[in-house]
Amino acid sequence: EDKVVQSPLSLVVHEGDTVTLNCSYEVTNFRSLLWYKQEKKAPTFLFMLTSSGIEKKSGRLSSILDKKELSSILNITATQTGDSAIYLCAVAPNTGNQFYFGTGTSLTVIP
Amino acid sequence: NAGVTQTPKFQVLKTGQSMTLQCAQDMNHNSMYWYRQDPGMGLRLIYYSASEGTTDKGEVPNGYNVSRLNKREFSLRLESAAPSQTSVYFCASSPAAGIGNIQYFGAGTRLSVL
Repeated sequence: EDKVVQSPLSLVVHEGDTVTLNCSYEVTNFRSLLWYKQEKKAPTFLFMLTSSGIEKKSGRLSSILDKKELSSILNITATQTGDSAIYLCAVAPNTGNQFYFGTGTSLTVIP
Repeated sequence: NAGVTQTPKFQVLKTGQSMTLQCAQDMNHNSMYWYRQDPGMGLRLIYYSASEGTTDKGEVPNGYNVSRLNKREFSLRLESAAPSQTSVYFCASSPAAGIGNIQYFGAGTRLSVL
């Protein structure tokens, strides 16, 4: 059965801390892994990773995929209160159009 | 930049009532999806439509029906609502299968069934 597991389930940090969120997957015929940020409403796209070892970066956020370990991490440096959100990981297989989502990591950044 | 538009934003139903959630996208995407999101459960796929004229069941299809009305619109119908269907529903679309297959989400519909 295809599945995506995220850890930790929730995290509370202080502003300025660095956090690492984890996503591991068991998906047949992996094609890509995506990270989304969900604040109050719709998930918004952050990164898509397809190749192992290549870091994607956007400001203080970065992500990398390890296809050997079937996992990905999302790093956020110098966290701000605006980073408080649920971070979702999704995996797309090579066949079909379905995406498999993890349950998400709830990040709270306190001043 | 409308993207994916869902209506309504909020709805309260009584058990046994029916309703249709509407979704439209203006990005000329081929694939559309309906998810429900419950606390601690993440996003679970209800139905999806790979392309106009096709629909397929996802992980949790029971109690729901869908219609891909045209390329832009994909509706979700609850024929006889149950309290277990209280949830936040998201519609999403993506260009098609392939490496650049990113999903774009609507703002969600918060549904309560009493």
